Amino acid sequence: QKEVEQDPGPLSVPEGAIVSLNCTYSNSAFQYFMWYRQYSRKGPELLMYTYSSGNKEDGRFTAQVDKSSKYISLFIRDSQPSDSATYLCAMDSGGSNYKLTFGKGTLLTVNP
Amino acid sequence: SQTIHQWPATLVQPVGSPLSLECTVEGTSNPNLYWYRQAAGRGLQLLFYSVGIGQISSEVPQNLSASRPQDRQFILSSKKLLLSDSGFYLCAWSGDGRETQYFGPGTRLLVL
Repeated sequence: QKEVEQDPGPLSVPEGAIVSLNCTYSNSAFQYFMWYRQYSRKGPELLMYTYSSGNKEDGRFTAQVDKSSKYISLFIRDSQPSDSATYLCAMDSGGSNYKLTFGKGTLLTVNP
Repeated sequence: SQTIHQWPATLVQPVGSPLSLECTVEGTSNPNLYWYRQAAGRGLQLLFYSVGIGQISSEVPQNLSASRPQDRQFILSSKKLLLSDSGFYLCAWSGDGRETQYFGPGTRLLVL
C-alpha cells in the first residue's frame, strides 16, 4: 500500500462548480497536511496548511482533515478557470525527518 | 519575505555532457534545502536534502550529486547526463517554523 494515494484525474468541471479533491494515507504518524497548487510548467505553490484534524478555510478554499479515517480533502467553491491546475496533497509527521510525503497530484480543469 | 530562485529555467543538453543547476534562497537563514525531480505521471521524487553547509543526504542513488557551498545556495550536478535525467527539477526550502516546504520555479531539463 502506498503511503499517500491521490486520484490523478483528470477532473473537468464547469465554472462555478464546487470541487472536491481528496487524498488517503496509511501512516498514522502524519500530523501536518498541505495542499499545493501547480500550474503547468511552474513550481508548486503552497495553498493550504493544516495541523491535526479539523477544517481550515481561506477564501474559496477549505481544507479538511479526518485523522480517524486517514483522509484529507480540499474543497473549492465557485470554481474559476484560473483554478485549472494540478493539486498535490502533502503530509509530514513532524520531528526532524525534514521530508514531506506527496500524493501524485490531481489535474483539474475548470471550463468557462 | 523569502524568495527562492532557480536557473536556468530551461536547458537542453546532449547525452554525456555535464550539468549544473543552481538554487538560491533569499530572506532566511539556515534553511533546509531540497532537490526534487518531477516526471510526468510519477509525482515528486526527492533527490537530495541538506540541513546545513556541506551536509548532503541522498535519497536515490543515481547519476546526480548535490552540493551546498553556502548557507543559501544549493547546486545539483552531474558529470555525464543520461537520457533518463530529463525532467523538471525543483528546488525547495523549509525552516520558517512550519512543517512545510516552499518551491522554486523549476528547471526543465531535456537530454538529447
